[in-house]
Amino acid sequence: QKEVEQNSGPLSVPEGAIASLNCTYSDRGSQSFFWYRQYSGKSPELIMFIYSNGDKEDGRFTAQLNKASQYVSLLIRDSQPSDSATYLCAVPEAAGNKLTFGGGTRVLVKP
Amino acid sequence: EAGVAQSPRYKIIEKRQSVAFWCNPISGHATLYWYQQILGQGPKLLIQFQNNGVVDDSQLPKDRFSAERLKGVDSTLKIQPAKLEDSAVYLCASSSDRVRGAFFGQGTRLTVV
Repeated sequence: QKEVEQNSGPLSVPEGAIASLNCTYSDRGSQSFFWYRQYSGKSPELIMFIYSNGDKEDGRFTAQLNKASQYVSLLIRDSQPSDSATYLCAVPEAAGNKLTFGGGTRVLVKP
Repeated sequence: EAGVAQSPRYKIIEKRQSVAFWCNPISGHATLYWYQQILGQGPKLLIQFQNNGVVDDSQLPKDRFSAERLKGVDSTLKIQPAKLEDSAVYLCASSSDRVRGAFFGQGTRLTVV
């Protein structure tokens, strides 16, 4: 059984700052990773996918993967109040999209 | 492209009653998932369908939960009888081999009283 661990937060950051979220996983064979954003009362929304070591940037979001240390992180640059949400890390099965989720990190961006 | 459709959005039932949820996946998505999300936790997979066949139901409490996906499109998830601990959001998601990731519907918030 895969395990995916996240700090539940809340992670409080001032507007304009960088929010840094971490996720660790147990299965050394995991090859790819997803980040989902979930606003309160809403369903998870896919925001990032990463499968190779290093950084992947998409707008204000950067995903970082370190397979040797078995962690993946998400950076949110120039944080906005609209970024306040829970961010879920997810690890898929080897060849598909069946996902094991972490518990999520709640982010609060204060104006 | 229409997203994943779920109904109802909310349901309140008494314990020991039965309830059913419906899901229509994104057109062309062969894989359909039902997840349970308890408040403050991440989604937990209950069952995965590939077309109309079950791929993984290892975490489905089969004594009270059942699911089907007739004709490989729509799916229903049923709970009978419901327990208080079944109070959660039930999320349906679908995926395709052509696209990375799974895409979620709005969910059904179930409250068992």
